[in-house]
Amino acid sequence: EAGVAQSPRYKIIEKRQSVAFWCNPISGHATLYWYQQILGQGPKLLIQFQNNGVVDDSQLPKDRFSAERLKGVDSTLKIQPAKLEDSAVYLCASSSADRGTGELFFGEGSRLTVL
Amino acid sequence: GEDVEQSLFLSVREGDSSVINCTYTDSSSTYLYWYKQEPGAGLQLLTYIFSNMDMKQDQRLTVLLNKKDKHLSLRIADTQTGDSAIYFCAESITDSWGKFQFGAGTQVVVTP
Repeated sequence: EAGVAQSPRYKIIEKRQSVAFWCNPISGHATLYWYQQILGQGPKLLIQFQNNGVVDDSQLPKDRFSAERLKGVDSTLKIQPAKLEDSAVYLCASSSADRGTGELFFGEGSRLTVL
Repeated sequence: GEDVEQSLFLSVREGDSSVINCTYTDSSSTYLYWYKQEPGAGLQLLTYIFSNMDMKQDQRLTVLLNKKDKHLSLRIADTQTGDSAIYFCAESITDSWGKFQFGAGTQVVVTP
């Protein structure tokens, strides 16, 4: 079974530029998450989708961050304009609709450096 | 700050046991998890425990849960160099199914 795919793995931009990250979750997983992981910290939830609807975006800085999951599969996270403090690893995760253990499956992350 | 707290660093000799501790905040959490993150990789689920259990053993891993003190620990027996990684404690927030709260992570360094 293919895992969660993310791209690009690395991105370096200057402040005030824009960037987009892409995520393809595990096939059949209804729930998709974007987390921000700043160096030395644990992952912080930015947004959670259930199919193509937003379940929780309370921690998303909506003045500069946006995310969509139009067809309930792939998702894109955009930052515009970027700030220095946005330098972090952006992790995408997915889980199945079956409550079960609620296990999250993570991608390898997209590392963003803002200069 | 983090609602889930962990010590930041642990150094252990190869072959010894490692114990990583965590305190969490949501007394109604359904599941508590331990994730492992190796350099340059995403997080990988190591083990989990349901909140009505006190202990769970899985090969070299033993999870202890003290609900009264909201304390979770992970013991790794016979620690190997491949166990060097960052370990994250996480709780699932019961009133928001599928929402996870992670700690800051404990970096475990295994020395020969």
